[in-house]
Amino acid sequence: DAGVTQSPTHLIKTRGQHVTLRCSPISGHKSVSWYQQVLGQGPQFIFQYYEKEERGRGNFPDRFSARQFPNYSSELNVNALLLGDSALYLCASSPQKQASYGYTFGSGTRLTVV
Amino acid sequence: SQQGEEDPQALSIQEGENATMNCSYKTSINNLQWYRQNSGRGLVHLILIRSNEREKHSGRLRVTLDTSKKSSSLLITASRAADTASYFCATDATGSARQLTFGSGTQLTVLP
Repeated sequence: DAGVTQSPTHLIKTRGQHVTLRCSPISGHKSVSWYQQVLGQGPQFIFQYYEKEERGRGNFPDRFSARQFPNYSSELNVNALLLGDSALYLCASSPQKQASYGYTFGSGTRLTVV
Repeated sequence: SQQGEEDPQALSIQEGENATMNCSYKTSINNLQWYRQNSGRGLVHLILIRSNEREKHSGRLRVTLDTSKKSSSLLITASRAADTASYFCATDATGSARQLTFGSGTQLTVLP
C-alpha cells in the first residue's frame, strides 16, 4: 500500500511568488492535515480537512489556504511568499477527524524562498 | 507556538545503552504521542498514550505519562545506531481534537 505521498519533494521560489503543494493520503483516509516545520523546531499545525471541509486552522496568515478534493487529496497554497515561509511542509493523513489515533506523515516538501 | 518542551535538546549515547527523553506540556490532553524524524524527513508515529494511562510499552519503547505534572518520558532500551534521529512529543489537547501540538524535539545520537 502506498503511504502518504507529497509533491514536489523540493521547491525553490522567489519572494512574492505563489506556491502549491500537493498531498495524497493513504487510501481510505478521509482526513488530511498540514504542518509547517521550520529548521530546528517541531512541526506547527496549519490546517485540517475532513470530508472536504476545513475542520481546523492554526495561527497562520490568510496567505495560507488549502482545499481537499473528492478523492481526499489536498492542496496547500501559499501566496506572496516571504523568506520566513522557508520550511518543510508536512502532510498527515488519518482515518478520522480526531487526532486520537496517530497520524501517518508524508516525507514532506522542502520549500526554500529566496 | 509550541505546546511544550523536550528535554534534553540533544543526547549522545553509546550503542546498547538506554536513552531517556522527557516532554513537558501545558494544557489538559486527550492523549500524547511520540514521533521520530530522520534527517528532516517525514515523521514516523511511534506510540500513543491516552490521558487515563500511566505507562505503555511497544518493543524497545516505554512511555510514561504523569498528567498531574503534565509530563511524559520516552525510554528506548538497548539503543542501536539506527535509532539516531530526532524525537518529538505531540499532544492532542482537550477541546482541540483537530490538531497535534508538537514540542521542539530531542536529537538523539547513538554512537556505534
